[in-house]
Amino acid sequence: AQTVTQSQPEMSVQEAETVTLSCTYDTSESDYYLFWYKQPPSRQMILVIRQEAYKQQNATENRFSVNFQKAAKSFSLKISDSQLGDAAMYFCAYRSGGNQFYFGTGTSLTVIP
Amino acid sequence: GAVVSQHPSRVICKSGTSVKIECRSLDFQATTMFWYRQFPKQSLMLMATSNEGSKATYEQGVEKDKFLINHASLTLSTLTVTSAHPEDSSFYICSALGYNEQFFGPGTRLTVL
Repeated sequence: AQTVTQSQPEMSVQEAETVTLSCTYDTSESDYYLFWYKQPPSRQMILVIRQEAYKQQNATENRFSVNFQKAAKSFSLKISDSQLGDAAMYFCAYRSGGNQFYFGTGTSLTVIP
Repeated sequence: GAVVSQHPSRVICKSGTSVKIECRSLDFQATTMFWYRQFPKQSLMLMATSNEGSKATYEQGVEKDKFLINHASLTLSTLTVTSAHPEDSSFYICSALGYNEQFFGPGTRLTVL
């Protein structure tokens, strides 16, 4: 079975600085999707960014970008110019070709004013 | 973007009663919906995958007779917690699969007294 590992239970970043959240996964598939979700205190899951495994180019969404290393099975999230509203739980997720989703244990991000 | 609603957002019930939670995809059709359970400060735990017109697929350890799932239409899936007990108190989240990603409902806080 696929597993998703987030080794940082908690992270903090100074406002306006950059932070990187790490995620690794284990799979034998070649075709899959990877996602980062944000869960603020409201607990509504919000999609931050997604990456198709067949694409070599790293996905970017405004201040959010990923470093996708397929061979290393690594999928880190970089948040630039951190804002107070970025404070939340961040979950890395893997979607298999069979539409099964697997979530990491999450990283709690604190933004320090 | 695609919107998923979940109702009720919060419910309190007595032990032994049944509670139904509805999950609707408002602006797209979803043949597949997922039900998750989330404990405080933990990740999402997949309970079952709901497919329109067929029986739900439950994850190992999830009691089918206790957590009844019905996906009667392309926009509605329901989760019924039967004979609820205090240990069923949790945050329940549904999601709908569309456009190669999951769209999450806002969650339901269930408290069983």
